[in-house]
Amino acid sequence: KNEVEQSPQNLTAQEGEFITINCSYSVGISALHWLQQHPGGGIVSLFMLSSGKKKHGRLIATINIQEKHSSLHITASHPRYSAVYICAGGGGFGNEKLTFGTGTRLTIIP
Amino acid sequence: GAGVSQSPSNKVTEKGKDVELRCDPISGHTALYWYRQSLGQGLEFLIYFQGNSAPDKSGLPSDRFSAERTGGSVSTLTIQRTQQEDSAVYLCASSWTSSEQFFGPGTRLTVL
Repeated sequence: KNEVEQSPQNLTAQEGEFITINCSYSVGISALHWLQQHPGGGIVSLFMLSSGKKKHGRLIATINIQEKHSSLHITASHPRYSAVYICAGGGGFGNEKLTFGTGTRLTIIP
Repeated sequence: GAGVSQSPSNKVTEKGKDVELRCDPISGHTALYWYRQSLGQGLEFLIYFQGNSAPDKSGLPSDRFSAERTGGSVSTLTIQRTQQEDSAVYLCASSWTSSEQFFGPGTRLTVL
């Protein structure tokens, strides 16, 4: 059974701080997704990774396949990044349903 | 439309009634997924359609739940004889093969 573990569960930081959210996953997961859920519920896909590193604005996602670990970083955080961040693992072609972590509630204080 | 749409946005029903939830995926996306997010709980997988393959129903919680995808496009999730524990936000997502998933806004189901 695919499993995804995420930490921390809650994180509060000051504006401008460097943020890291961690995700560990089990064998069988070949693609790791990072999702963002704002109050009101809408879910947006931030990244999908199977290797290496991806960057978009202040968001950086990395994955270490050997250690089965991924991180989401926010450089120079801002209150607009306050949201729930969810990592989710998917299998390969034909098995792309997602198994979700429990989410990290991030609050950035101005 | 540009994104995944779902209807209705909210549904209130009485215990024991049947409900149908609709998902319109992004045009051309081969894969369609249904997920559920219960109050205070995480997201869980329900069912997955990929092209013309038989759907993966492994996440459906009981035989009261079923889904179909007609013509490789629109999907309907049906819950028969609803129970209070079915109350949740039901999310649909679609994607190209092996690519990021685009989520709809969800249907909030409340069973009284």
